[in-house]
Amino acid sequence: AQSVTQPDIHITVSEGASLELRCNYSYGATPYLFWYVQSPGQGLQLLLKYFSGDTLVQGIKGFEAEFKRSQSSFNLRKPSVHWSDAAEYFCAVGVSGNTPLVFGKGTRLSVIA
Amino acid sequence: GAGVSQSPSNKVTEKGKDVELRCDPISGHTALYWYRQSLGQGLEFLIYFQGNSAPDKSGLPSDRFSAERTGGSVSTLTIQRTQQEDSAVYLCASSSGGRKETQYFGPGTRLLVL
Repeated sequence: AQSVTQPDIHITVSEGASLELRCNYSYGATPYLFWYVQSPGQGLQLLLKYFSGDTLVQGIKGFEAEFKRSQSSFNLRKPSVHWSDAAEYFCAVGVSGNTPLVFGKGTRLSVIA
Repeated sequence: GAGVSQSPSNKVTEKGKDVELRCDPISGHTALYWYRQSLGQGLEFLIYFQGNSAPDKSGLPSDRFSAERTGGSVSTLTIQRTQQEDSAVYLCASSSGGRKETQYFGPGTRLLVL
């Protein structure tokens, strides 16, 4: 069975600082990996996804993530955080893009001036 | 184009009542998913429809929960005899059904059972 662990429940960063959100997954085969963002009262918006190929994927809003098979990780990064990035971030794994996803518990990001 | 829409956005009901939650997927999307987001459990899969295939109901927490999808488009999630533990945000997503496709989420229905 698939599972996702996001070790950090809440992270606070200063505006302009770099960000890394951790995600570890458990899945026997090559996973389909996703990062979604949820602003308060909103649905989930896809930031980026990994299916195969280049292990460094670029997403929207300046985010990127790197798939490391040896570490079963898919960490999300951004070089310079903006106040508007404050939200909840979810990592998810699937057998494919069109099967139900298994989500991590989420990491809440706060941005301070 | 239009995204996934859900109605109502908020629903307050009394314990023991039945509720229906509606999802309008993106036009042309053949796959439709229901998830539940609650404080204690995070985001959980409930049920999945793909085209004309029998739905995958493996995530439904009890037989009080059911869902249907009419005409391959709109879906209704029904919760019978609601309990306080059913209070959560119910999210619907749709995708075009390909293996490399993305699930697009609606804004959710926030359900509160008193």
